Amino acid sequence: QQKVQQSPESLSVPEGGMASLNCTSSDRNFQYFWWYRQHSGEGPKALMSIFSDGDKKEGRFTAHLNKASLHVSLHIRDSQPSDSALYFCAAGSGSWQLIFGSGTQLTVMP
Amino acid sequence: EAAVTQSPRNKVAVTGGKVTLSCNQTNNHNNMYWYRQDTGHGLRLIHYSYGAGSTEKGDIPDGYKASRPSQENFSLILELATPSQTSVYFCASGAGGGSQNTLYFGAGTRLSVL
Repeated sequence: QQKVQQSPESLSVPEGGMASLNCTSSDRNFQYFWWYRQHSGEGPKALMSIFSDGDKKEGRFTAHLNKASLHVSLHIRDSQPSDSALYFCAAGSGSWQLIFGSGTQLTVMP
Repeated sequence: EAAVTQSPRNKVAVTGGKVTLSCNQTNNHNNMYWYRQDTGHGLRLIHYSYGAGSTEKGDIPDGYKASRPSQENFSLILELATPSQTSVYFCASGAGGGSQNTLYFGAGTRLSVL
């Protein structure tokens, strides 16, 4: 079983809508989480990290972490077609290694 | 903007052949990583390095070797390529340091082993 699990596998939202992506870990050693985004034909790029309980907002993106349940989510408000991409959740417990989930494919429909 | 360059971008190899994937970073980062990406598996760590001369095994190192001859360069070597190694390979660099350790990825190398 993967240590970092993401849901749903794919998601479609209308332009201007809210997209919500979920990530759950099975390892309580993880101390922080990252969200990465990958557009087709490119490498992943970091969106944001979170390591404290609660919300962290960066522009249209809000990450939420619940350490007790090891659940982290990413909410994208006012979704744009340019947000269409593969989103990875990644978890870390040390100084160097990140464990990635299998990703959520987001499609924003014009 | 941090820069990680991979070469080649596409590679077709024959089963049993030797393949070398190259990665160069101009970020002066200590840490470098090799991942492979397969549908349904996300990004899986093959090898990583803390600095020139060091290489460490990741989660799926079997069938792969790595070389870090300098701070800037990190290579992934498939001595005897197999069809199961057909995948997209990504190199990344990072400064290290827990929750602030942003990884910067290259554009990837698509490898097909026939």
